[in-house]
Amino acid sequence: AQKVTQAQTEISVVEKEDVTLDCVYETRDTTYYLFWYKQPPSGELVFLIRRNSFDEQNEISGRYSWNFQKSTSSFNFTITASQVVDSAVYFCALSGGHGSSNTGKLIFGQGTTLQVKP
Amino acid sequence: DAGITQSPRHKVTETGTPVTLRCHQTENHRYMYWYRQDPGHGLRLIHYSYGVKDTDKGEVSDGYSVSRSKTEDFLLTLESATSSQTSVYFCATLDGNTGELFFGEGSRLTVL
Repeated sequence: AQKVTQAQTEISVVEKEDVTLDCVYETRDTTYYLFWYKQPPSGELVFLIRRNSFDEQNEISGRYSWNFQKSTSSFNFTITASQVVDSAVYFCALSGGHGSSNTGKLIFGQGTTLQVKP
Repeated sequence: DAGITQSPRHKVTETGTPVTLRCHQTENHRYMYWYRQDPGHGLRLIHYSYGVKDTDKGEVSDGYSVSRSKTEDFLLTLESATSSQTSVYFCATLDGNTGELFFGEGSRLTVL
């Protein structure tokens, strides 16, 4: 069975601090995808990243970076120099890679609420 | 932005009444999904569709049915709503080229 665990329920930081959100997953698939979504207080889900299981390179996008380690089944997300606008719920998700329909069948973690204080 | 519109955005209904939520997309995406979001559970897949008239069950399909008569519309029906179905419902479509899953803005349903 597939499972995603985000052990951190809530994190509070002061603006400009770096923060890492943890994500651990379980799957028996050899091909799979990992995602991160942001849900701001307004409620919509904003896509942040999609990573293929065969691509273990770390990725950086502005203040955001992701560390994918298959050896520990983790896909952690770091925000550098956090800002108040980063306050949101962040979800990590996993999908199987066999067939397009499976790609959209996501298993979500419970989410981590990040509060960035000024 | 995949041009996903959900309706209604907010609905309050009573136990035992039927409810239909509509998802409309303008991107001609083949795959569509319905998720529900509840505190402590993240999002969970209810049903999905891989084409017109082709649907299948997800993780939490009991009490729900779906229909897809046109590519652009995916309907979620609660035949007889229960309080446990109080939730926020999200529709999503899959861009088959990029693998990105786009979500609608959500529909908040309250069953009294």
